[in-house]
Amino acid sequence: KAGVTQTPRYLIKTRGQQVTLSCSPISGHRSVSWYQQTPGQGLQFLFEYFSETQRNKGNFPGRFSGRQFSNSRSEMNVSTLELGDSALYLCASSLGGTATSTDTQYFGPGTRLTVL
Amino acid sequence: AQKITQTQPGMFVQEKEAVTLDCTYDTSDQSYGLFWYKQPSSGEMIFLIYQGSYDEQNATEGRYSLNFQKARKSANLVISASQLGDSAMYFCAMREADYQGGSEKLVFGKGTKLTVNP
Repeated sequence: KAGVTQTPRYLIKTRGQQVTLSCSPISGHRSVSWYQQTPGQGLQFLFEYFSETQRNKGNFPGRFSGRQFSNSRSEMNVSTLELGDSALYLCASSLGGTATSTDTQYFGPGTRLTVL
Repeated sequence: AQKITQTQPGMFVQEKEAVTLDCTYDTSDQSYGLFWYKQPSSGEMIFLIYQGSYDEQNATEGRYSLNFQKARKSANLVISASQLGDSAMYFCAMREADYQGGSEKLVFGKGTKLTVNP
């Protein structure tokens, strides 16, 4: 079974631009979560989608948004990029549904975003 | 809210030896899940092992085992017979669940950088 895929793997943007990152979950997984990883803040939760609905959102400004499609693929968008948005963005998929104690999140390889 | 503490920024181990990576957690939930992930320099987070709060036995997966001490709120990862390929960042994480809404997220520690020396 194929793992979680993320595209693109690397991105270089300038301040003020916007960017869209894509994530394809493991087949059969309906929940997709996004995390931001920086050296200073570590791994922080951005948001989680299930059945095309955002169920949970982390403490990030409105410039960060996302969506999920009917095939469970997800995109996240960052508008008006700032230097501090430079990070590794990780997507994770899981079966989803009710919050169970046995569901495991499997991560993709990440998209490394550099904002100049 | 859940909190994960990893007190070892870096650890060194000789090839073929065992190493323990520390993780303590804080939660008021009775039911919770603890995870360990490995992150090589390539960036991908690789799931290693899971321990549920009600699991009576310590989890094991190949060379990985979890030393779960519920009363001490610790969930240490033990890697036996270390290999050069084990050199990576290791993250301990806890599931923070919204049982009403069905959502969940992972709360991560700061990580431990493990270096395996030949």
